[in-house]
Amino acid sequence: EVQLVDSGGGLVQPGRSLRLSCAASGFTFGDYPMTWVRQAPGKGLEWVGFIRSKTYGGTAEYAASVNGRFSISRDDSKNIAYLQMSSLKIEDTAVYYCTRGLDYVYFWGQGTLVTVAS
Amino acid sequence: EVVLTQSPATLSLSPGERATLSCRASQSISNYLGWYQQKFGQAPRLLIYDTSNMATGIPARFSGSGSGTDFTLTISSLEPEDSAVYYCQQRSNWPYTFGQGTKLEIK
Repeated sequence: EVQLVDSGGGLVQPGRSLRLSCAASGFTFGDYPMTWVRQAPGKGLEWVGFIRSKTYGGTAEYAASVNGRFSISRDDSKNIAYLQMSSLKIEDTAVYYCTRGLDYVYFWGQGTLVTVAS
Repeated sequence: EVVLTQSPATLSLSPGERATLSCRASQSISNYLGWYQQKFGQAPRLLIYDTSNMATGIPARFSGSGSGTDFTLTISSLEPEDSAVYYCQQRSNWPYTFGQGTKLEIK
């Protein structure tokens, strides 16, 4: 059974950094791209970015709203994907979901809430 | 960036009725459109991919159609558990984008 467990959320001040983790199990983690999607409270869904599998270079792409501030990485030996967030803004407040794959999302983590406030 | 506009914003129907949800893209996205259902407090669930293909385990009352810029999700006979927010999503161009959602209420 595919499982994705998101963690690392919490309350953080504007301008600070936070790292989210996504622990994966139930599939060959290294074979899949991993994507982060977020949802601001009461709002719709927004793609944050994704990281390719090592087979496809292991590189990442980002939405314009987070490009240059957020970084996605992966540790295939531990089956974990990371979302490093820096220079956080109030508008980054959202539930962040780790997801498997890229084009369409079949599997989602439970989400972790990041609140950016002073 | 491809903008997806969903209509209506809210839809209120009775069990057994037919629901028709629309998604319009700001440019042609071929058939690269999917639909998700999100119930309160839950992660979204994929219903339809590439316009008309049903994801695994999705009831047959859900169907999708369209091409180019205009797409439709149809729920043929509503069940109480279909109450949710429905999002469309395109995978034609990065950044992939979602519509703003249609809230479906079952009376």
